[in-house]
Amino acid sequence: GAGVSQSPSNKVTEKGKDVELRCDPISGHTALYWYRQSLGQGLEFLIYFQGNSAPDKSGLPSDRFSAERTGGSVSTLTIQRTQQEDSAVYLCASSSYEQGLNSPLHFGNGTRLTVT
Amino acid sequence: GQNIDQPTEMTATEGAIVQINCTYQTSGFNGLFWYQQHAGEAPTFLSYNVLDGLEEKGRFSSFLSRSKGYSYLLLKELQMKDSASYLCAVIGSTLGRLYFGRGTQLTVWP
Repeated sequence: GAGVSQSPSNKVTEKGKDVELRCDPISGHTALYWYRQSLGQGLEFLIYFQGNSAPDKSGLPSDRFSAERTGGSVSTLTIQRTQQEDSAVYLCASSSYEQGLNSPLHFGNGTRLTVT
Repeated sequence: GQNIDQPTEMTATEGAIVQINCTYQTSGFNGLFWYQQHAGEAPTFLSYNVLDGLEEKGRFSSFLSRSKGYSYLLLKELQMKDSASYLCAVIGSTLGRLYFGRGTQLTVWP
């Protein structure tokens, strides 16, 4: 597709279960980002990929969070043993890093995660 | 740490001009972005500033002063569809990492 695709769009899960969120970036974009947005809060940086490697994982809030990217394309964000405070919209974005620092981020529509 | 401040809410009337301010304190600076986010939708790119001065793009303009750690987004000839949250974001010293403010919710009244 032409834009960043995220799935599922909505996910309701019980506390303690694991969830996996998927991001399919714009074709050819080497940089991929995960952010989290809670109600009334700004976008919280989670992790950034350049190709398949993650130079900056410092935003992951706990060791229950992990992410991987394979083939320089699709990325998955996994949250283990979900907690209610994990409820948020998880946004993925990609950019063409080769175009330089002013290459804007293109965001997907996000996955709304609700932990009950 | 990184700190990006912008007003929480602003209101204006259709046809008017509004200025949304953003101040930042970051470790290093490699550019500032403005994004627009309508409720329930993804943020979309509006502008990028890395040098001091004003960048104009249609009804929207963005200004940067690096020495003051200050930027503003100027919206002219406001329309109802401009009602949205406006996000200020800064690239600090870590390339690839974009820090966002909490956003300014703009409401445009008829």
